[in-house]
Amino acid sequence: DAGVIQSPRHEVTEMGQEVTLRCKPISGHNSLFWYRQTMMRGLELLIYFNNNVPIDDSGMPEDRFSAKMPNASFSTLKIQPSEPRDSAVYFCASSLPGLASNEQFFGPGTRLTVL
Amino acid sequence: SQQGEEDPQALSIQEGENATMNCSYKTSINNLQWYRQNSGRGLVHLILIRSNEREKHSGRLRVTLDTSKKSSSLLITASRAADTASYFCATGAGGTSYGKLTFGQGTILTVHP
Repeated sequence: DAGVIQSPRHEVTEMGQEVTLRCKPISGHNSLFWYRQTMMRGLELLIYFNNNVPIDDSGMPEDRFSAKMPNASFSTLKIQPSEPRDSAVYFCASSLPGLASNEQFFGPGTRLTVL
Repeated sequence: SQQGEEDPQALSIQEGENATMNCSYKTSINNLQWYRQNSGRGLVHLILIRSNEREKHSGRLRVTLDTSKKSSSLLITASRAADTASYFCATGAGGTSYGKLTFGQGTILTVHP
């Protein structure tokens, strides 16, 4: 299995531009998580989906952030308009929660820089 | 806010020494997991311990859990330079949030050759 795939790996954009981050979870996993990591705030859970349905979006910082999961193999995180304070590494993770384990598998991350 | 709080924030040791990292949490948990993150990479799962377990081993890793004190520790024995990374504890609550994990701030471990 290729693991969780994220694209792009790096994104540099200017303030005010729209940014779309993409994630392909591990095949068969039914939970998908979007995290943001910064030095100041550490690793923050933004939103997570179960069977393509958003379960908890309480971590989404504001209306500029939105996430979708149109099918089991694809999710997007969109920031519109972007601001310099959105600069961070964004991780996608997937899992197959069950009685045995709810281990999460992380993608390599997208490093976002907003100028 | 983060559920888990790791201690220490940073740890520097020599190769061959043992490294101990601690994690405290606030609410009831179903399980506690430890993850490792190498610089510039995603997190990788190391070990999971369930709330009804007290100790677990995996290779050079030993994890303990004390639910009465709401704390866990990760011990890495005979450390190697390749163990240099950030280590995070994560708690799972179970129930309707079954798949969700809450991560701590992490401990930065540096192992000097």
